Amino acid sequence: GAGVSQSPSNKVTEKGKDVELRCDPISGHTALYWYRQSLGQGLEFLIYFQGNSAPDKSGLPSDRFSAERTGGSVSTLTIQRTQQEDSAVYLCASSGQPQETQYFGPGTRLLVL
Amino acid sequence: GDSVTQMEGPVTLSEEAFLTINCTYTATGYPSLFWYVQYPGEGLQLLLKATKADDKGSNKGFEATYRKETTSFHLEKGSVQVSDSAVYFCASRSNDYKLSFGAGTTVTVRA
Repeated sequence: GAGVSQSPSNKVTEKGKDVELRCDPISGHTALYWYRQSLGQGLEFLIYFQGNSAPDKSGLPSDRFSAERTGGSVSTLTIQRTQQEDSAVYLCASSGQPQETQYFGPGTRLLVL
Repeated sequence: GDSVTQMEGPVTLSEEAFLTINCTYTATGYPSLFWYVQYPGEGLQLLLKATKADDKGSNKGFEATYRKETTSFHLEKGSVQVSDSAVYFCASRSNDYKLSFGAGTTVTVRA
């Protein structure tokens, strides 16, 4: 079946604007993850969803970042009042179960001007 | 949490050369270990993995052996091709679900 998909593939925004990034996991995968890939920090874990359990938000860098997962499938990562340091590639991954292999989407490249 | 240290690049090789990318980890207990690859313009793909000590992961001619005694998971390929040009990431995952990644190593193979 289809892999993890993300949209948009690229996003350019002005400092202070809000952005929403979308992730469609592999069908049937219960676990969903967001990571960020930036020049200065490498690949960092942001947030994790598993079924109906409370998400693990321990990797979110500030309260400007939030994410939700509706109906156990699609997830949206929202960044409010974007800053230039938010510029990065935001990667989504999913797995069948938490201990199984994580499959990554192509990412959304965010540029904050 | 886990931490992963991998050889910094960039690495430039000629075709058919031998490639090694060093990776060491720090973790509580015995993590699962992974190599992911990112080809130009593409997303992260799992290359290989090993879930316990002395396991060898292999795929596309690449191999890595989980060495508990040296806390290492070095990636090797005996004869690289131009198509192997990519960024390679070593990663670990302990008892939870978070992957901890190394900084990535850019490999360029010249014809």
